[in-house]
Amino acid sequence: DTGVSQNPRHKITKRGQNVTFRCDPISEHNRLYWYRQTLGQGPEFLTYFQNEAQLEKSRLLSDRFSAERPKGSFSTLEIQRTEQGDSAMYLCASSPGLALSTDTQYFGPGTRLTVL
Amino acid sequence: DQQVKQNSPSLSVQEGRISILNCDYTNSMFDYFLWYKKYPAEGPTFLISISSIKDKNEDGRFTVFLNKSAKHLSLHIVPSQPGDSAVYFCAASAAQGGSEKLVFGKGTKLTVNP
Repeated sequence: DTGVSQNPRHKITKRGQNVTFRCDPISEHNRLYWYRQTLGQGPEFLTYFQNEAQLEKSRLLSDRFSAERPKGSFSTLEIQRTEQGDSAMYLCASSPGLALSTDTQYFGPGTRLTVL
Repeated sequence: DQQVKQNSPSLSVQEGRISILNCDYTNSMFDYFLWYKKYPAEGPTFLISISSIKDKNEDGRFTVFLNKSAKHLSLHIVPSQPGDSAVYFCAASAAQGGSEKLVFGKGTKLTVNP
């Protein structure tokens, strides 16, 4: 399977705990994105990377959230001191990053986070 | 402030007929538009896209129409099949304006009845 992969697929945690999600993009895709989706809403942008560089962050990404892409390949999204409002589907996407105006993002299956 | 709006939460059509899903946007900087299909507990799957320099793009049973003056786009599925039943999201980006993020609508749940 050469698509975007995400691990774990499901995560249940207690309020106050830290969690980390991993995303492996499509091979040779330069750009990697994180989105969050809650019930009844479309995905909402969190942040994106061009290779190792984090180029844009949403106001949704509070100080408790941090994302990295250390070698320009896989990425991790960490949430510290989780709150019940963090419960959502966390989606990762990647794109080739070669065509500025027609760069299509391909999504992974997501990680479903439940904070008790 | 919702920049991408899908005003119909649901749509039901008969197998073999046309499905038309609509999307409106408010940001005139958007220059690339995409439709994604999503099944429960899965990530969105890319369907079809259109650049702002075009007004129509076709791919098999799927056609997307863009009306820039009305800030409106639509997805036509002909003929509709039961396997098309899913939630469809419209998304837009303003890449030329320096923002790579996708802005999504809330989705339209399509049900195709056999």
